[in-house]
Amino acid sequence: DIQMTQSPSTLSASVGDRVTITCRASQSISSWLAWYQQKPGKAPKLLIFKASSLESGVPSRFSGSGSGTEFTLTISSLQPDDFATYYCQQYNSYSPITFGQGTRLEIK
Amino acid sequence: EVQLVQSGAEVKKPGESLRISCKGSGYSFTSYWIGWVRQMPGKGLEWMGIIYPGDSDTRYSPSFQGQVTISADKSISTAYLQWSSLKASDTAMYYCARRVAGSYLYWYFDLWGRGTLVTVSS
Repeated sequence: DIQMTQSPSTLSASVGDRVTITCRASQSISSWLAWYQQKPGKAPKLLIFKASSLESGVPSRFSGSGSGTEFTLTISSLQPDDFATYYCQQYNSYSPITFGQGTRLEIK
Repeated sequence: EVQLVQSGAEVKKPGESLRISCKGSGYSFTSYWIGWVRQMPGKGLEWMGIIYPGDSDTRYSPSFQGQVTISADKSISTAYLQWSSLKASDTAMYYCARRVAGSYLYWYFDLWGRGTLVTVSS
């Protein structure tokens, strides 16, 4: 299986900050990567697909980049609603779907 | 409204069987794959498997193959996740999620149920 490793595991930031979360794949997955946001007690919500495509309705302060084995999710200016846990997910066709372990974004 | 509605929380004893459900509405249920994702308490997301209700084609994560059974009844737009003999380690939140439409290359999820909490305790 393809292993996905996110860093950092926890990130402390303030409203208005620019933050970046990294996701690394154990082998190349081209651009077959999605990002989700999960708030406590809620289901995950799709933010980004195909590494850099913004899901409809998601604020433009969210952006994704990368290909191959290294990917990033950037929030350009943190809003109070953005404090949550973020997961990457790879969907390479020839491997089972796997998620990263998550990055908890907390208020500094 | 397009949604996935999951069955309610369950409390079971080790060794008991269980089937939880996920009912799709507001879209063509038979045209989208439905996946199941486990989230153990305080932990991350784990993909368990996925089914295409149109023809019941089912794929399992190697980690869950043989541990659970995924099925669907397209006549009532419902997918199921079942266990024949629960263990305490099956205690978790279980989400169903709809695979996005489009290319066969796109195996991510654009619509999620609210989750079903399964607690297994003696």
